[in-house]
Amino acid sequence: NAGVTQTPKFQVLKTGQSMTLQCAQDMNHEYMSWYRQDPGMGLRLIHYSVGAGITDQGEVPNGYNVSRSTTEDFPLRLLSAAPSQTSVYFCASSSLTAISYNEQFFGPGTRLTVL
Amino acid sequence: KNQVEQSPQSLIILEGKNCTLQCNYTVSPFSNLRWYKQDTGRGPVSLTIMTFSENTKSNGRYTATLDADTKQSSLHITASQLSDSASYICVAASGGSYIPTFGRGTSLIVHP
Repeated sequence: NAGVTQTPKFQVLKTGQSMTLQCAQDMNHEYMSWYRQDPGMGLRLIHYSVGAGITDQGEVPNGYNVSRSTTEDFPLRLLSAAPSQTSVYFCASSSLTAISYNEQFFGPGTRLTVL
Repeated sequence: KNQVEQSPQSLIILEGKNCTLQCNYTVSPFSNLRWYKQDTGRGPVSLTIMTFSENTKSNGRYTATLDADTKQSSLHITASQLSDSASYICVAASGGSYIPTFGRGTSLIVHP
């Protein structure tokens, strides 16, 4: 099992550009989520999904879109990048049973810089 | 509003010494609390979970405690090693919610 994979590892964007951060998992997990991690702020939930075709907003959803067309993939789209979106982004997954026990498996992260 | 607060924010200790990290939570209704370890440049990895009925649980050199009355948890690291240098994150979950509440983490540095 590869677990949770994220691409790219690093990305530099200019203000106003759009891009998609990719996330895939091979554990057949129903639950997937996106977090951003900023210095001193901890992990903050952007969007999450409890299954294909079902998504919901987290704590900081503005400026981000998600979709879940398959169980395996959960891409995060930045519509018009802003410097405030400079951060490290983590994707995570879990089974619906494990998430009730607060267990998530995290990917390696994508470090995004917006100039 | 659900909240998790961790202390200290950062900690420096010498190799071989013990240390204790603290986590205070305000989550309702409380279901469980999990400790994660995050190495620099990597995603968090689960260390242990504490449910409402558990007081103490050990995982090797890591011992977690939970006091549901005072809404406090601690993570004690015994005989620290250089590889323990990491951020330790406390995450509390409420029953029926898919949105856990994360603390900001404690950054631990172990010096030789």
